[in-house]
Amino acid sequence: AQKITQTQPGMFVQEKEAVTLDCTYDTSDQSYGLFWYKQPSSGEMIFLIYQGSYDEQNATEGRYSLNFQKARKSANLVISASQLGDSAMYFCAMRERETSGSRLTFGEGTQLTVNP
Amino acid sequence: IAGITQAPTSQILAAGRRMTLRCTQDMRHNAMYWYRQDLGLGLRLIHYSNTAGTTGKGEVPDGYSVSRANTDDFPLTLASAVPSQTSVYFCASSAHSGGAGTDTQYFGPGTRLTVL
Repeated sequence: AQKITQTQPGMFVQEKEAVTLDCTYDTSDQSYGLFWYKQPSSGEMIFLIYQGSYDEQNATEGRYSLNFQKARKSANLVISASQLGDSAMYFCAMRERETSGSRLTFGEGTQLTVNP
Repeated sequence: IAGITQAPTSQILAAGRRMTLRCTQDMRHNAMYWYRQDLGLGLRLIHYSNTAGTTGKGEVPDGYSVSRANTDDFPLTLASAVPSQTSVYFCASSAHSGGAGTDTQYFGPGTRLTVL
């Protein structure tokens, strides 16, 4: 079974509007972390936001927020007031609690296009 | 501060040749990782190292080897390249390896490898 599922291969949004990128995960661990990364066309991977499984409040970083619904095992990224520079591939990733390190499992990504 | 550097930026390689992708970080991070990115598959972990002197296998280790002689360097070697190893390779690092807390992974710019 997929550990990280991103069901939206592509999304479109108008500039200045909000957009939600979906991410669901599968784990039996009680302690885990969820990450979102942005990959613009230039190719680099940029860390956006982190949510720990025990965090009671949704994480926020500027225009990015993470809508964490633990019972549903979802960790959707919300981008408010979209900008043209937000056009990129977005990856959801999970780190499960392991004794052997902080390895990440990534979803397949969502390509976001912001239209002017 | 450069963060993580990777070399080469891109490479075209004949099948059967040996190739080493270089990765260096200047953040004194304990843990380092190698991922490959293929269209539609997201990023998949090849090998990782929790600390200098130790390495471990990720999701897709076959055909690759790594070493971690010191904290800063984590080279990835393809002993005998095959066309299925055509991909974009990302090196990443994180401060800790215990799986606790944020322990964000930061990525290098990537190496685009084509095996003919």
